[in-house]
Amino acid sequence: SQTIHQWPATLVQPVGSPLSLECTVEGTSNPNLYWYRQAAGRGLQLLFYSVGIGQISSEVPQNLSASRPQDRQFILSSKKLLLSDSGFYLCAWSRYNEQFFGPGTRLTVL
Amino acid sequence: SQQGEEDPQALSIQEGENATMNCSYKTSINNLQWYRQNSGRGLVHLILIRSNEREKHSGRLRVTLDTSKKSSSLLITASRAADTASYFCATVPAFRGDYKLSFGAGTTVTVRA
Repeated sequence: SQTIHQWPATLVQPVGSPLSLECTVEGTSNPNLYWYRQAAGRGLQLLFYSVGIGQISSEVPQNLSASRPQDRQFILSSKKLLLSDSGFYLCAWSRYNEQFFGPGTRLTVL
Repeated sequence: SQQGEEDPQALSIQEGENATMNCSYKTSINNLQWYRQNSGRGLVHLILIRSNEREKHSGRLRVTLDTSKKSSSLLITASRAADTASYFCATVPAFRGDYKLSFGAGTTVTVRA
C-alpha cells in the first residue's frame, strides 16, 4: 500500500531564515506530487505541482521554491522566510483524480 | 484561485441528525470530489462524482451533482461525534490534461454528543 510522509511535523523559524520541508511517497512510482498551503480556517492553495523528476510547475508567485530530485521525493524550500509564509503545508500525491495527503507541517515564522 | 465555495461555513448538529453542506463552482468540471480534514491533519478523500453522474453513495455519505446549477451537496446521515471535521469540495476542471484540484474554503461540522 502507498504511504506519504512529511517532516518535520511542526517548525518554528525566525524571519529571514531558510526553509526545507520534505515529502516522500512509498509504494507507488511516477506519482504526480503537490505542495499546498492552508491558512488558518481556510481552504488549500496549490503552490507547486510536479509530474516527474525535475518537472515543477509553480502556481502562484511567492517566496518559495520546490524541487523533485527523485521520483518519490518532493522538497519545499525558501532562502529567506517571511512572516506571511506561516501556515500549514500539505504534500499530496495522485495517479489520476484522487489525491492522497500527508500529515502536514505546521510552520510558524516569528 | 478557489473554484469551489462551500455553504454553510460552519454547521453544528446533534449526534444522530443529518448534516448537509453545499458546494458551488464556476467553470465546467470533469469531476468533483469531497474531502474531510480532522483538526490539524491532512485531508482524506471521501467520494468522487463525475460530471455525467447525478448522485453517488458511500456508506452514510450521499453526494449529488447538478451541473446545470454548478453545484453539489454532501449529506452525512445519522451523524456521529467522529464526523466532527472540516469538509472540502474540490473540482477538476474540464478540458485540461492535468489533475490539479481547486479547493473551496470548507464547511466546519461539529457533531454534539
